[in-house]
Amino acid sequence: DTGVSQDPRHKITKRGQNVTFRCDPISEHNRLYWYRQTLGQGPEFLTYFQNEAQLEKSRLLSDRFSAERPKGSFSTLEIQRTEQGDSAMYLCASSWGRGNSGNTIYFGEGSWLTVV
Amino acid sequence: AQTVTQSQPEMSVQEAETVTLSCTYDTSESDYYLFWYKQPPSRQMILVIRQEAYKQQNATENRFSVNFQKAAKSFSLKISDSQLGDAAMYFCAYRIRGSSNTGKLIFGQGTTLQVKP
Repeated sequence: DTGVSQDPRHKITKRGQNVTFRCDPISEHNRLYWYRQTLGQGPEFLTYFQNEAQLEKSRLLSDRFSAERPKGSFSTLEIQRTEQGDSAMYLCASSWGRGNSGNTIYFGEGSWLTVV
Repeated sequence: AQTVTQSQPEMSVQEAETVTLSCTYDTSESDYYLFWYKQPPSRQMILVIRQEAYKQQNATENRFSVNFQKAAKSFSLKISDSQLGDAAMYFCAYRIRGSSNTGKLIFGQGTTLQVKP
């Protein structure tokens, strides 16, 4: 069990550019979450996948954001036409769950995005 | 909508002493989980302790324990015998329990804990 891994860990980009983050969840975890965290604040939910299906999206996820989880394994989060307000840490998390299972959610170390 | 509030942005404690971090939440649900997560600087968030709302007994994990007051919607974390390694940001989080929901966590704003040697 290598934990949830995220890549890249840090990304500096110019405003207007596109960026993509990758998340590799813990093997065999069927649930995957993306969160956004700004400095000194708690994480805010962005989106949720169960296997390959994206089942919930937050209103925070504007049209410039898109997430995928092909084949129910790794996931990508793409931000198009980045804005300075997108600067944050993007956290990925995963868990195994069926029904109302309350299994532990494990977090990755996050991908820091700075838009200049 | 469910909300989680941590009213203490920063706390400090002397090494080996006890500190309590506060958390309140708002929900109309009756069946849910509550958690405390620890996020050390530049490191990943890890689970400290969890509480099922249907359980009356307060959860305990070694030096960490909670005071769960369901009627008051309060969920505080007590850290006993504080250690330097306890220094981190602590988040209180809520999660609905139910087969039709996503299991997403709703977090508070966090409390930064400083441990003084």
